[in-house]
Amino acid sequence: DTGVSQDPRHKITKRGQNVTFRCDPISEHNRLYWYRQTLGQGPEFLTYFQNEAQLEKSRLLSDRFSAERPKGSFSTLEIQRTEQGDSAMYLCASRSGQARNTIYFGEGSWLTVV
Amino acid sequence: AQKVTQAQTEISVVEKEDVTLDCVYETRDTTYYLFWYKQPPSGELVFLIRRNSFDEQNEISGRYSWNFQKSTSSFNFTITASQVVDSAVYFCALSEAGITGGGNKLTFGTGTQLKVEL
Repeated sequence: DTGVSQDPRHKITKRGQNVTFRCDPISEHNRLYWYRQTLGQGPEFLTYFQNEAQLEKSRLLSDRFSAERPKGSFSTLEIQRTEQGDSAMYLCASRSGQARNTIYFGEGSWLTVV
Repeated sequence: AQKVTQAQTEISVVEKEDVTLDCVYETRDTTYYLFWYKQPPSGELVFLIRRNSFDEQNEISGRYSWNFQKSTSSFNFTITASQVVDSAVYFCALSEAGITGGGNKLTFGTGTQLKVEL
């Protein structure tokens, strides 16, 4: 499978706990994106990386959220001190750096905070 | 700021009917891209089409066709002879065209839930 891979697919956690999601992009895609999607809404941009550099962060990304892409390959998204409002699907996507290329999405990681 | 509006929240059709999903967008950019994605219950967003703002030709791919009208800022999607497997949420999205700055992030609409019944 050469698509975008996300892990875990589902996570249930208690409020106040930390959670981490991992994304493995399509091989050789230098751009990687994180989006959040709540029920009945479209995905909303959180942040993106070009190689290992985090170039943009949305205002949606509070101080409790941190994303890394240490070697320019896989990425992690950590949420600290989770709140019920963090319950959502977290989508990862990647694309190559060439112009006109398409962003491809993974299957998402569902987070439920109880 | 960019905005995408999908006014149809849910559409139900009977198999073999044609159905059109509407998409209206707002942007100040003169160059931009428009997209449609399909999201089945599994959650993955499946890419269907990308259109740049300079190309207003309609496109057909099998049972799918897209009508881009810059004058009305619309990019509508038609499924001909719908099938049960077409049941999903469909998202229209917009991005700026530059390869630097902004990262070409997507702005999505709220989606249209399509239900195709036998």
